[in-house]
Amino acid sequence: NAGVTQTPKFQVLKTGQSMTLQCAQDMNHNSMYWYRQDPGMGLRLIYYSASEGTTDKGEVPNGYNVSRLNKREFSLRLESAAPSQTSVYFCASSAGQGAGGYTFGSGTRLTVV
Amino acid sequence: KNEVEQSPQNLTAQEGEFITINCSYSVGISALHWLQQHPGGGIVSLFMLSSGKKKHGRLIATINIQEKHSSLHITASHPRDSAVYICAVRSASNYQLIWGAGTKLIIKP
Repeated sequence: NAGVTQTPKFQVLKTGQSMTLQCAQDMNHNSMYWYRQDPGMGLRLIYYSASEGTTDKGEVPNGYNVSRLNKREFSLRLESAAPSQTSVYFCASSAGQGAGGYTFGSGTRLTVV
Repeated sequence: KNEVEQSPQNLTAQEGEFITINCSYSVGISALHWLQQHPGGGIVSLFMLSSGKKKHGRLIATINIQEKHSSLHITASHPRDSAVYICAVRSASNYQLIWGAGTKLIIKP
């Protein structure tokens, strides 16, 4: 089925560990996004990629890095995980700057202990 | 003050009731989105509006650009409508989404 695929769905990390969240879309969308969702708060943009080859910081980029590997894939890396990064992470894509609506992945529930 | 405000934060209603969820925003926008997040966590895009009204099944979304206000209505509500409904606006200046905190809707049988 066409859509946005995120892996893993769940992850527990120890403080200081690193990991990469993977995201791939098969809708030929230009733009991709990483959000985090914390209880009682709206989604917050971590990083986005308006098109292949470009990445930009969002609202809460500290502690994260991203790679737009190609048009399909946009990964999010935590170099040294902290408990404050415990959250649910969503990847999303859109045709172009959100013009055609957004498609979301199913989310990654990350716990940092 | 948040740039996107939703009300109510929580809403519990009986099956069959007409539901209204409101969204007000304070920035210039190029579009407004309504999304649904089910208890399992998945997020689904319901509507994208830049003017007027859209209808899909029992869901109706309206927007008043002058008043910077949008509403999401659910007719003949059903327990399967129970979810968090999120309003998000696409900024006219940088095209990024600004998210509301969501409205948690529970429909009781």
